[in-house]
Amino acid sequence: DAKTTQPTSMDCAEGRAANLPCNHSTISGNEYVYWYRQIHSQGPQYIIHGLKNNETNEMASLIITEDRKSSTLILPHATLRDTAVYYCIVRVGAGGTSYGKLTFGQGTILTVHP
Amino acid sequence: NAGVTQTPKFRVLKTGQSMTLLCAQDMNHEYMYWYRQDPGMGLRLIHYSVGEGTTAKGEVPDGYNVSRLKKQNFLLGLESAAPSQTSVYFCASSRGKGQGNQPQHFGDGTRLSIL
Repeated sequence: DAKTTQPTSMDCAEGRAANLPCNHSTISGNEYVYWYRQIHSQGPQYIIHGLKNNETNEMASLIITEDRKSSTLILPHATLRDTAVYYCIVRVGAGGTSYGKLTFGQGTILTVHP
Repeated sequence: NAGVTQTPKFRVLKTGQSMTLLCAQDMNHEYMYWYRQDPGMGLRLIHYSVGEGTTAKGEVPDGYNVSRLKKQNFLLGLESAAPSQTSVYFCASSRGKGQGNQPQHFGDGTRLSIL
């Protein structure tokens, strides 16, 4: 699975958009970009994933550059409850010879301020 | 809508004792996983299962055993607990092969301390 690089920490004001970047310059054509977050003392929570098109769901938007070497997770209106560690993970999908293993790095600590 | 349920939530053991952690999912998922998370480190995969009756080793399998007798349950066993196994254990499940690139859904963890 491709390695990812994320900033160690970021701050955001409540109500503002939080834009979390991720670099994955060695991504392969069949690898997806996944985002998870982990709120203190809880299990990781799936947010969104994509292959090459931008994606949006009720939680967030995922913007993937045309060359797929980087992506940005956007939380459109951050709240205090969005304070968490955000993980960008690149992996092939489950199936074939892959069992869908997730490799968690250090992630980005997002702190949302009042 | 329970999702992935882990029991117990907390446990303290003495060195050498044995115990079993239970993971149950109600989403009819094929794949199930056990991870451990230690301070300053990301989650590391211990064992996983791609279907009922099958298990396989992950990155850090030593000292652990698993069983998947029923599709909805995945058990993690510690035969002789060691202080190095003090950790937070997370179970996850996902759809399997041929079912798209589906995400893993996690339980809330079991906090295990070994004295």
